[in-house]
Amino acid sequence: KAGVTQTPRYLIKTRGQQVTLSCSPISGHRSVSWYQQTPGQGLQFLFEYFSETQRNKGNFPGRFSGRQFSNSRSEMNVSTLELGDSALYLCASSLIAGHTDTQYFGPGTRLTVL
Amino acid sequence: AQSVTQPDIHITVSEGASLELRCNYSYGATPYLFWYVQSPGQGLQLLLKYFSGDTLVQGIKGFEAEFKRSQSSFNLRKPSVHWSDAAEYFCAVGVYNAGNMLTFGGGTRLMVKP
Repeated sequence: KAGVTQTPRYLIKTRGQQVTLSCSPISGHRSVSWYQQTPGQGLQFLFEYFSETQRNKGNFPGRFSGRQFSNSRSEMNVSTLELGDSALYLCASSLIAGHTDTQYFGPGTRLTVL
Repeated sequence: AQSVTQPDIHITVSEGASLELRCNYSYGATPYLFWYVQSPGQGLQLLLKYFSGDTLVQGIKGFEAEFKRSQSSFNLRKPSVHWSDAAEYFCAVGVYNAGNMLTFGGGTRLMVKP
């Protein structure tokens, strides 16, 4: 089975722009979660989607948003980029939602904001 | 709210030596516990998990971890470290009814001396 894929792998943007990152889960997995990883804050949960509905949300401003499509693929969007948004954004998929399941992570998208 | 502490930011061991990485969690009920490993520039790979049952859990690459409720710990061990084990290791906790939201520790960077 193919693993979790994320595109693009690297992105460079400037302050004020917006960005969209994409995640394709493992085939058959219906839950997709997003995490931000920075040297200062570590790994932080952004949100989880299941059946095209946001199920959980972390403590991030409204500039961070996401969605999930009927094929379980997910996108996250960051608007009005700030320097502090530079991070590795990781997507994880799991079979089910509702309670903790094993999550499998993709390689991440490295976002640099200049 | 739950939290995870990995007290050791850096650990250096000699190849062939044994390894123990510490993880302490804070949560009122029985948590779901995970260890992940991350190589530079990569996503997270699941090493092992504890959901319930036997408190000694076996994982991939010769790793094991023991859940000790009385100490709120889930330490990762390996009897003989290989140079390829050099990476960053993350302990994470999930909680019942919080979906797939994981709270991660700050990570422990493992260096292996030849």
